[in-house]
Amino acid sequence: NAGVTQTPKFRVLKTGQSMTLLCAQDMNHEYMYWYRQDPGMGLRLIHYSVGEGTTAKGEVPDGYNVSRLKKQNFLLGLESAAPSQTSVYFCASTSRGRSGSYEQYFGPGTRLTVT
Amino acid sequence: AQSVAQPEDQVNVAEGNPLTVKCTYSVSGNPYLFWYVQYPNRGLQFLLKYITGDNLVKGSYGFEAEFNKSQTSFHLKKPSALVSDSALYFCAVRDIRGNNRLAFGKGNQVVVIP
Repeated sequence: NAGVTQTPKFRVLKTGQSMTLLCAQDMNHEYMYWYRQDPGMGLRLIHYSVGEGTTAKGEVPDGYNVSRLKKQNFLLGLESAAPSQTSVYFCASTSRGRSGSYEQYFGPGTRLTVT
Repeated sequence: AQSVAQPEDQVNVAEGNPLTVKCTYSVSGNPYLFWYVQYPNRGLQFLLKYITGDNLVKGSYGFEAEFNKSQTSFHLKKPSALVSDSALYFCAVRDIRGNNRLAFGKGNQVVVIP
């Protein structure tokens, strides 16, 4: 199993450009999450999804959109990138927790720089 | 709202000495607590969790954590640190709003000195 994968690994954008980050998981997890990591701030939740076709806002959703058209994929979009969105983005997934396994599994991250 | 606090930005420890990374929590109800480790340029890896049961939880790579309800703490420990334990460590608590959301602390940089 590949676990959670993310593409691309690195990206440099100019202010105002758009892009989509792709997250894929092969563990049949219902829940998927997008976080951003900034120095000294830990991980902050951007958006999440509890199942195919559903999405919800996290604590820092402004400037981002998401879609979950297939259970295994969770896309994060930046419509008009800003320098404040320079960050490392992580995707994570977890099961519904019926067996007590509430831990999230993380992808390797995407390092995004907006100039 | 539930939250965790990691009071130290960086922990320096000599190789072979005991390692402790501190975490305190604030939760309504019973806490579900987690520790993750992040090596440079990598994603977060799950180390261990406390859901219920024994207060001493054993995890990966020789780490353990002690749940202390009276002190609202969940400190991560390792009896003998290795240079390879140098990494960023995150404590997290399950969000009571559900959907298996986690609230993370700011992280602790651990530096193990040879």
